[in-house]
Amino acid sequence: AQKITQTQPGMFVQEKEAVTLDCTYDTSDQSYGLFWYKQPSSGEMIFLIYQGSYDEQNATEGRYSLNFQKARKSANLVISASQLGDSAMYFCAMREGGNFNKFYFGSGTKLNVKP
Amino acid sequence: GAVVSQHPSRVICKSGTSVKIECRSLDFQATTMFWYRQFPKQSLMLMATSNEGSKATYEQGVEKDKFLINHASLTLSTLTVTSAHPEDSSFYICSAPVPPHNEQFFGPGTRLTVL
Repeated sequence: AQKITQTQPGMFVQEKEAVTLDCTYDTSDQSYGLFWYKQPSSGEMIFLIYQGSYDEQNATEGRYSLNFQKARKSANLVISASQLGDSAMYFCAMREGGNFNKFYFGSGTKLNVKP
Repeated sequence: GAVVSQHPSRVICKSGTSVKIECRSLDFQATTMFWYRQFPKQSLMLMATSNEGSKATYEQGVEKDKFLINHASLTLSTLTVTSAHPEDSSFYICSAPVPPHNEQFFGPGTRLTVL
């Protein structure tokens, strides 16, 4: 079974509007971490936000927030007030257990912000 | 945030030659680093986990004699693609986990083209 599932290959959003990128995960571990990364066309991977499995509050970082629904095993990324520079690939990732364990990445969502 | 550098950013080589890619953590020490490969419009595929002072751990299906990994110090890991062939052409990207949450910070990537 896929550890991380991103069901939206591509998304469009109007500039200044909010957008939600979906991510579901599969693990039997009690301790895990969830991450979102942005990859612009330049190829660099930019860390956006982290949510720990024991965190009770949803993580927020500026215009990014993570809608963490543990029972549903979902970790959706919400980008508020979209900007043209937000156009990129977005990857959801999970680390199970130990801090130096490997990450599992989803297939990604291509976000296009329209002016 | 933490900085991971990668060199070279782009390399073109002839079939049969070996190519070395360096990954450095610039402002922190990394006992563990990860090497990924990414094909166009696809997600990252973990190739191996590089461990300082010990052998790398390779993912299933990755040829360890083809992709040599050396974690020479707490700030440097190298990936050598030996006897490169056109099918090895890809985007190679390294990462290192950074406390406190051990999110992975990525290098800018190396685009390898084998002629």
